[in-house]
Amino acid sequence: QKEVEQNSGPLSVPEGAIASLNCTYSDRGSQSFFWYRQYSGKSPELIMSIYSNGDKEDGRFTAQLNKASQYVSLLIRDSQPSDSATYLCAVSYNQGGKLIFGQGTELSVKP
Amino acid sequence: GAVVSQHPSWVICKSGTSVKIECRSLDFQATTMFWYRQFPKQSLMLMATSNEGSKATYEQGVEKDKFLINHASLTLSTLTVTSAHPEDSSFYICSASRGVGTGGSYEQYFGPGTRLTVT
Repeated sequence: QKEVEQNSGPLSVPEGAIASLNCTYSDRGSQSFFWYRQYSGKSPELIMSIYSNGDKEDGRFTAQLNKASQYVSLLIRDSQPSDSATYLCAVSYNQGGKLIFGQGTELSVKP
Repeated sequence: GAVVSQHPSWVICKSGTSVKIECRSLDFQATTMFWYRQFPKQSLMLMATSNEGSKATYEQGVEKDKFLINHASLTLSTLTVTSAHPEDSSFYICSASRGVGTGGSYEQYFGPGTRLTVT
């Protein structure tokens, strides 16, 4: 069974710090990796996608993928209270196919 | 770009009635759309995968006769909850898959969700 694992948290960081979110997946055939942010009562919002090993940066966000170790991480620099949300790691095993979600990590950024 | 809309954003209906939820990709064509439901404090649960012009593929345990899905065009999929009951009250969210670049990669974008309350 294909699985995606995240620490459920909550992860609490002070404002301005780096938040580090981690995710592991079970199937080496995984092709696409995503991070979504979900505020309470809202739908998920795509913040990062990554398809090959290494780092991908977009503003304050950096996604890191290591296929050999089967993990993907998300770093949020200069964390803001507005970053407080649940972060969902998602993996796709075929292009355009369904996503397998982790259970989500709740992040709290304290002012 | 990559905007997905849903209508209605919330609906209250009486037990036994049917409710239709629309999902539209506004600025791209989506061959594949997905329907999820989410209960409070729980993870997203995929209900079905909807492909334009063909029958939807339902996840195990999801009643296809109760949750009717129609993907009539490349920008519209609908979910109809038939004979709704209070236990169907939930947050229903659609998503649409969009191709990215030229390498065959896809990203999935979510609609804002529809909150259904069955009384």
